[in-house]
Parts: sequence; structure tokens; C-alpha cells
Amino acid sequence: DVKVTQSSRYLVKRTGEKVFLECVQDMDHENMFWYRQDPGLGLRLIYFSYDVKMKEKGDIPEGYSVSREKKERFSLILESASTNQTSMYLCASSWRQTTNYGYTFGSGTRLTVV
Amino acid sequence: DQQVKQNSPSLSVQEGRISILNCDYTNSMFDYFLWYKKYPAEGPTFLISISSIKDKNEDGRFTVFLNKSAKHLSLHIVPSQPGDSAVYFCAASRSGSARQLTFGSGTQLTVLP
Repeated sequence: DVKVTQSSRYLVKRTGEKVFLECVQDMDHENMFWYRQDPGLGLRLIYFSYDVKMKEKGDIPEGYSVSREKKERFSLILESASTNQTSMYLCASSWRQTTNYGYTFGSGTRLTVV
Repeated sequence: DQQVKQNSPSLSVQEGRISILNCDYTNSMFDYFLWYKKYPAEGPTFLISISSIKDKNEDGRFTVFLNKSAKHLSLHIVPSQPGDSAVYFCAASRSGSARQLTFGSGTQLTVLP
């Protein structure tokens, strides 16, 4: 069963901490994405990567960075966590020229920054 | 500036009736549209899609309609079932964008037994 796995379902971090969110996919997809989901705002793209060591900013990259050292793994880094980064974070992957099925999403990480 | 809009945050429908979820977009470069369904504590899952060369795509109880001139699409669920209760996201993409998806804000559908 193909899947996207996010390392944590729930995280609680303190303001100012450096936070790592990990995502692994087993489908050999070229593209990987990080979104955050907030009520009334839907899914907003933070960063995406279309190849190893390649990254592109999405709509809301401020306060975040990413790392893709291996094809199957895409990490989201909060350099100095702030309370406005409390959110649901969703990782997704897809083929470079995606099929009719779009993205495959992970189950999400609910991050709370206190 | 939201390029994909779902203006109804919630919708309640009786079991067995039709559910109609609406989505509007502003970017005329979008040429592929998708609907995703999301249950609480799970990631969104793909439901149905449509290319801009078509105006209708059907898959079982789910049909998506596209009106390019109005920049509007809708998802019809017939008949609605309680298990359809979820948040539905509309998404759009354009060629040459690594199929990057732009999502709407979602509509919470509740199907009442």
C-alpha cells in the first residue's frame, strides 16, 4: 500500500525552538510538497521540491525552510517557532507530470507552539 | 488574493438527497481541476478530477461539472450518504507548473441520516 508518512501526529513546541517535521514517501515520486491547513484558509503551499536538493518557495515560505537530501524524504524546518505557526501541516507527493490522481497526502502533523 | 474560492464554508444535506459543492477560480491559466475529501485527523484524499477540455466527468455517485466561461466548477454527490460527511477541497493547476495545486478553503459537508 503506497503511502506518505509524516513522523509525528501531534507536536507541542515552545516559542523560539527549532522544529523539524519529517515526511517520507515510498512511491518514488519526484515532487514533494508542504502545506499548512488553517480554518477558513484551506491548504496553503509553504514549499515544494521537484527533485533532490531542489526547492521552490510556495505562497507562505516566511519562517520556514526545507531540506531534500534524498528523493523519498522532505523535511520542513521552523527556524524559530512562533505561536502563529500553530497549525496542521500536511506533506504530499506526486509524479513530476502528475496523473489524474493529483497528490498523495500524509495524515498530517498537528503542531502547537506555546 | 485567493485564486480558488469556495464561498460556502458548510453545507448540510439529508441522506439520499443531492449535495452540490461549488468552487470558483480566477486564473484563466488553470487547466486541470480536482476535488479532494478530508476526514478529521487524516490527509486529503483524491476524489475526482476534470480537464479543461471537458465539461463533465462522472465517477459513480460523484460528478464534476466545469463551466469555463464562468470559471466555475461544481461537485454533485447523488445520493448523499452519511459517510460522505467530510471537508471537500477544490483544487486547480496549470500546465508547466510541476502540477502545483492551488486549493480552495474547503466546504464542510454534513449528511444527516
